[in-house]
Amino acid sequence: DAKTTQPPSMDCAEGRAANLPCNHSTISGNEYVYWYRQIHSQGPQYIIHGLKNNETNEMASLIITEDRKSSTLILPHATLRDTAVYYCIVRPEGYSGAGSYQLTFGKGTKLSVIP
Amino acid sequence: GAVVSQHPSRVICKSGTSVKIECRSLDFQATTMFWYRQFPKQSLMLMATSNEGSKATYEQGVEKDKFLINHASLTLSTLTVTSAHPEDSSFYICSAKEGLTSYEQYFGPGTRLTVT
Repeated sequence: DAKTTQPPSMDCAEGRAANLPCNHSTISGNEYVYWYRQIHSQGPQYIIHGLKNNETNEMASLIITEDRKSSTLILPHATLRDTAVYYCIVRPEGYSGAGSYQLTFGKGTKLSVIP
Repeated sequence: GAVVSQHPSRVICKSGTSVKIECRSLDFQATTMFWYRQFPKQSLMLMATSNEGSKATYEQGVEKDKFLINHASLTLSTLTVTSAHPEDSSFYICSAKEGLTSYEQYFGPGTRLTVT
């Protein structure tokens, strides 16, 4: 069962902020929100993750709503190299039985950064 | 971040032959490695989870006798596709997790398998 919902595709002008939404209305209290991206014909790349507070690193910012039912990944100044499929994944942190640490990839959002 | 390599990056083999794909963690010890398969225009699908020194756990629908996984050391896991057929042509990606409590997974660059 899909635990997250993302738009299939988005366009963003180069240099502008890219805001990628994700719905995870059934998220549990111990589940974190992870974002990965996959550039064509490469392995996925970790971007950021968070539990309930907003997070920022050198790649992106993650804004999680107060009810934790949705989040937004923000790439502040998109470049052509940010063109990729972006995956939003929810997963418990730490060991929680069989299947722990697995990442379940949905269909993601194909972000196209346009010159 | 930690680096995971895969070899080969792409391979073409004839139907009926076997092909081995290696996944290595270059600068950390990977107690757990994951193998994914990705068909064109589709998402990654987890095939199996392997813990060093023990048998792999396969996802439902993945034939363990066809996709042999060996995780004999803390830095190397191998996936062997036995008696490959054209429908096995896919992008195979591994990931590795460090330690028993680490949550982070590091992905390899993938291996493109084409079976003719």
